[in-house]
Amino acid sequence: SQQGEEDPQALSIQEGENATMNCSYKTSINNLQWYRQNSGRGLVHLILIRSNEREKHSGRLRVTLDTSKKSSSLLITASRAADTASYFCASGSNYQLIWGAGTKLIIKP
Amino acid sequence: DAGVIQSPRHEVTEMGQEVTLRCKPISGHDYLFWYRQTMMRGLELLIYFNNNVPIDDSGMPEDRFSAKMPNASFSTLKIQPSEPRDSAVYFCASSTWGRGYSGANVLTFGAGSRLTVL
Repeated sequence: SQQGEEDPQALSIQEGENATMNCSYKTSINNLQWYRQNSGRGLVHLILIRSNEREKHSGRLRVTLDTSKKSSSLLITASRAADTASYFCASGSNYQLIWGAGTKLIIKP
Repeated sequence: DAGVIQSPRHEVTEMGQEVTLRCKPISGHDYLFWYRQTMMRGLELLIYFNNNVPIDDSGMPEDRFSAKMPNASFSTLKIQPSEPRDSAVYFCASSTWGRGYSGANVLTFGAGSRLTVL
């Protein structure tokens, strides 16, 4: 079920900077979701963008979707130490989700 | 709601032993998923249920793995006999199709069961 790709695999930035993660997928979708996983915990849903949307915001999160390129990006603005986690994209069609390999984000104080 | 509840959180066992992982989904959710996560293979879907019925078990690695959902509030994943390569974190997740997200399946994950097979 893991057919998506994410880059970078790891990202280390200073607190206060913006973090951008990218996701590519292979099949047609009706939505794309982003999840966060803190160390030793389960995944937590962050945001969903539908295939007919190009951009969506939620607090400090901004997600874009380009269906022609089969890609999405997640931007976290004004990063905080608490944003340190792994971030996964999941492309959805019907009831199936196809997961990316994740980006490990480290925020340095 | 307490969320998706998994037990045990940690399990250490010896090769050849039977392992049973348990999951209580969120009340009212009609989909239940079992995932396995490893560094090498990432997040793998093992099986999922809809209304307690197994729909797709193509991700179950082999006959040593079995999963059941006897009712809407309980599911088990059993490995018998266990092998060292089964060492992983096993996640249970539940969802309800479309509620709050029309036409999308948004998953709520449990905290996971970390399995170590020696």
